[in-house]
Amino acid sequence: DQQVKQNSPSLSVQEGRISILNCDYTNSMFDYFLWYKKYPAEGPTFLISISSIKDKNEDGRFTVFLNKSAKHLSLHIVPSQPGDSAVYFCAAESYNTDKLIFGTGTRLQVFP
Amino acid sequence: KAGVTQTPRYLIKTRGQQVTLSCSPISGHRSVSWYQQTPGQGLQFLFEYFSETQRNKGNFPGRFSGRQFSNSRSEMNVSTLELGDSALYLCASSLVRQGSEQYFGPGTRLTVT
Repeated sequence: DQQVKQNSPSLSVQEGRISILNCDYTNSMFDYFLWYKKYPAEGPTFLISISSIKDKNEDGRFTVFLNKSAKHLSLHIVPSQPGDSAVYFCAAESYNTDKLIFGTGTRLQVFP
Repeated sequence: KAGVTQTPRYLIKTRGQQVTLSCSPISGHRSVSWYQQTPGQGLQFLFEYFSETQRNKGNFPGRFSGRQFSNSRSEMNVSTLELGDSALYLCASSLVRQGSEQYFGPGTRLTVT
């Protein structure tokens, strides 16, 4: 049972345009959501997070949106740069388990 | 400050064998978590250790086990290897709990033939 789903395995975006990565979850107990970025041959690195009491969090070019009623979150990257090409994982945790559940990842390719 | 290190980086084993992977967390970090990454499955949580005790466990068979030492270093063991165990095994450390404070190592690529 995949509690955190990233239905798009890959996304291709032109440099300078917006990249939108989506993530859906099924467990209504999740109260904290995170995005990680992973380059080949490296471990994932934390990118941005959002608490369930918020619906938006911004950090430079990265913005995460949370729609609790739809159990959906998205990561917006504006403007996209070639260095953003990586695999992006969304993750969720609930206060009562303190266990991080990851999605299957979306491979983003930003081309010139 | 040195990052999370994992050894070995690459490993090839035969079905039925057992394997031990090692993880050294960032100095001062007491929580160590292990994940399995396979194509199409993303990162699946194996277990978390904190102060030498297993604090959380994922849905993996008993062939997967781990331990943590007093210096917070952790080992993961897989017995009776199966072809499906071929994956990238990632270790992550944090001061106290999972979440944004988690730092990942580069992983150990295990291939079972």
